[in-house]
Formats: sequence, C-alpha cells, structure tokens
Amino acid sequence: DSGVTQTPKHLITATGQRVTLRCSPRSGDLSVYWYQQSLDQGLQFLIQYYNGEERAKGNILERFSAQQFPDLHSELNLSSLELGDSALYFCASSGSVGEQFFGPGTRLTVL
Amino acid sequence: GDSVTQMEGPVTLSEEAFLTINCTYTATGYPSLFWYVQYPGEGLQLLLKATKADDKGSNKGFEATYRKETTSFHLEKGSVQVSDSAVYFCALSEGGGADGLTFGKGTHLIIQP
Repeated sequence: DSGVTQTPKHLITATGQRVTLRCSPRSGDLSVYWYQQSLDQGLQFLIQYYNGEERAKGNILERFSAQQFPDLHSELNLSSLELGDSALYFCASSGSVGEQFFGPGTRLTVL
Repeated sequence: GDSVTQMEGPVTLSEEAFLTINCTYTATGYPSLFWYVQYPGEGLQLLLKATKADDKGSNKGFEATYRKETTSFHLEKGSVQVSDSAVYFCALSEGGGADGLTFGKGTHLIIQP
C-alpha cells in the first residue's frame, strides 16, 4: 500500500459527459501528479500541483483540468469526454526526496 | 524533448533464468533514472533508481547501472522467479523525481515455472 488513495476505482460514462477523479496524497506529501495510461499512448504525465499551486504541465488536453485543495487532496476534471479518453488515470504524490508514490488508479470507460 | 525507449515484449523466461530488459533514453540535461514495476491490477511501485552517471540502483535482486556514455539504464536480475511476472517501466526525470516522469512503453515480463 503506497498510502495514496484514489476514488472511484472504476467509472463508466458516456461521450460528452464530465467526470471528476479524486486523489488523496500520502500524509505530508505536498506534490501531486496526474498520469494517464492508455494502450496506444502508454503512460503520460498530465499535470503537477505543489501545495495548491500548479507546478508543471505535461500532455494535458484543454478539456482536462485539475486543482489541489488546502487539505492537499487533488481532483482531475475531464469534460466533453471522447471514446479516446478511456484509460487508467493514476495519481502520484511525493515529498521532499522526490520519489513518487502511485495510487491504484481510476479506470475510466467512455461509451 | 525527453524520451525513453525500452523493449516492449512480452518477454517470456523460465524460472531461474537471467533477465535483461534494455532501456535507453534521450534527455537535454542530466536526468535521474528509474525502474518502476506494475503488478496486475495495481499501481506502479518504484523498483530502483540512479541519480547520476555510473550510479548503480539495486533492490530485490534487480540492478541497473546509469551509463551516460551509452545513455542506457538496463535492468538485470540473475535468477528470476514466477513472482517477478509484471510490467516493468523505465522512466526519467530532469528534476530528480520531483517533476513529471517520462516513461517508456513498458515491458511485459512473463516467468514460467
């Protein structure tokens, strides 16, 4: 158990809809990262937050957004969903050492 | 931009065989290098890491050496077990692990008894 929790575990929705994925980092970790894992693109970094502020952006679509709240949990919002957004979404957190600990992921299926 | 290339597999070996999974990278600076492992239905776990040239990372019998001259970080294990069956990802970070990781496509390893 990495100490990073993600909810929900599975999510099934339709094209055009909007969903929110939630992540709670390990106790004391200030950084949260979001990754997307799909069969065709592999594992891709989406975005990083540090203590409530956006720190770095990767290959995140404009339809996607994230935020980190004062209690350090983070949410990834995916809107106008397309079939191609079906993937596993992982959250990771890190402290001062920089080692990233990954959550179990949320499997999103867009029908 | 940064990139990581690794053999995708599947790689099928018999128990107690020697394992090598190749990984090469392209980076603009001097990255830190990582191997992560993903067991079925689980998230990624850090297996080992190296932060500078000639460093050797090791854990659970696995080893990898940071080779700057060949831009490589090959994963090795002398004697694999059935329990090592998983997907292995090579990754790099320009920020010592405190930034977004760049991953290879992953290598699916299957160990047969």
